Amino acid sequence: KAGVTQTPRYLIKTRGQQVTLSCSPISGHRSVSWYQQTPGQGLQFLFEYFSETQRNKGNFPGRFSGRQFSNSRSEMNVSTLELGDSALYLCASGYDAGGDGYTFGSGTRLTVV
Amino acid sequence: DAKTTQPNSMESNEEEPVHLPCNHSTISGTDYIHWYRQLPSQGPEYVIHGLTSNVNNRMASLAIAEDRKSSTLILHRATLRDAAVYYCILRGGGSQGNLIFGKGTKLSVKP
Repeated sequence: KAGVTQTPRYLIKTRGQQVTLSCSPISGHRSVSWYQQTPGQGLQFLFEYFSETQRNKGNFPGRFSGRQFSNSRSEMNVSTLELGDSALYLCASGYDAGGDGYTFGSGTRLTVV
Repeated sequence: DAKTTQPNSMESNEEEPVHLPCNHSTISGTDYIHWYRQLPSQGPEYVIHGLTSNVNNRMASLAIAEDRKSSTLILHRATLRDAAVYYCILRGGGSQGNLIFGKGTKLSVKP
């Protein structure tokens, strides 16, 4: 079956701009989570959506936002980009509940210059 | 903060078994123990999870201590492709959708 698809794979943006990243989960998965990975901070949880509702949120500023559509596809948006936002952004999808594993996408590499 | 403790790095020889330890002394009764691994330039990959009993799948085995305060991921025959960072994560049994990653264990496999 198709995996988790993230687009685009690579992105270069300028400080102050905004960016939208997309994630298509595995068919049937209703939970979509986003993570930021940097060399200094490792993998950090951004937010999780389930059935179009944000269910959990990590400790990130309001410039980071997301949404989920009725087909479970999700987007995350970062406004007023800062140099420190350069990172690998990973999306993970799953059915739900602690007894299930998540499937991660390959990520979007965002570089802010 | 991550609720698990793992060694920073481990080394193994190819085709030998590898035992990756994880301590989680504050585990609650409803927490599942999940293991993920991340190969270079890839997103994390689910390996295995368990609640109380030992678990086996095609990738690995998970041995859970009787008091559940520690667990061990077992790779029965390490290959070069198993070189990765391995993360041990506790995940709540309810609708706790987020995974809290620690630093993980970087496994090196020598030919």
